[in-house]
Amino acid sequence: AQKITQTQPGMFVQEKEAVTLDCTYDTSDPSYGLFWYKQPSSGEMIFLIYQGSYDQQNATEGRYSLNFQKARKSANLVISASQLGDSAMYFCAMRIQNRDDKIIFGKGTRLHILP
Amino acid sequence: EAQVTQNPRYLITVTGKKLTVTCSQNMNHEYMSWYRQDPGLGLRQIYYSMNVEVTDKGDVPEGYKVSRKEKRNFPLILESPSPNQTSLYFCASSFPDYTGVQYFGPGTRLTVL
Repeated sequence: AQKITQTQPGMFVQEKEAVTLDCTYDTSDPSYGLFWYKQPSSGEMIFLIYQGSYDQQNATEGRYSLNFQKARKSANLVISASQLGDSAMYFCAMRIQNRDDKIIFGKGTRLHILP
Repeated sequence: EAQVTQNPRYLITVTGKKLTVTCSQNMNHEYMSWYRQDPGLGLRQIYYSMNVEVTDKGDVPEGYKVSRKEKRNFPLILESPSPNQTSLYFCASSFPDYTGVQYFGPGTRLTVL
């Protein structure tokens, strides 16, 4: 069964440090996409970064990068030089190309950036 | 401006009183979806639609109905709301491919007394 696991319910990180948010996934389908979304305290869902299962290189978007290890089925989000505004809930999600086309989210990690 | 809109943003109602949460997108997306967000459970998909007149159950469809009569609209209907449906609801839309990024509405906070 398809599944997303985020093992860190909460994290505290000092400002300006790099932070890694863990995400492991489970699927037997060969074609899938992995997404990270940010949810600040205001509640909206903000898309951060995408990685496709066939992509050879890790995705990067500004301070965000996705550490994609296909054999380990992990898709960790790395935030470099963290800022106070990075304090938020972060969700990892998976979308699979099959006839169902369901989208699965992890339970999220709440990140606190300390000044 | 490309966006997904939801109404109402906040709703307090009583058990058994039918309600509809509207969702509309202006990006010509085929795929639309409803999620509920509960503390400690993340987002769970309620229903989704691949295109007009095509809807499918997600992981938690019990107690909900949807319809997709037009491409831009995807209302969520609670025929007889119960307190366990108190939650934060999100509508989202995207292109119908596994590479498709979902665009989310602002959310609807529903309280059922």
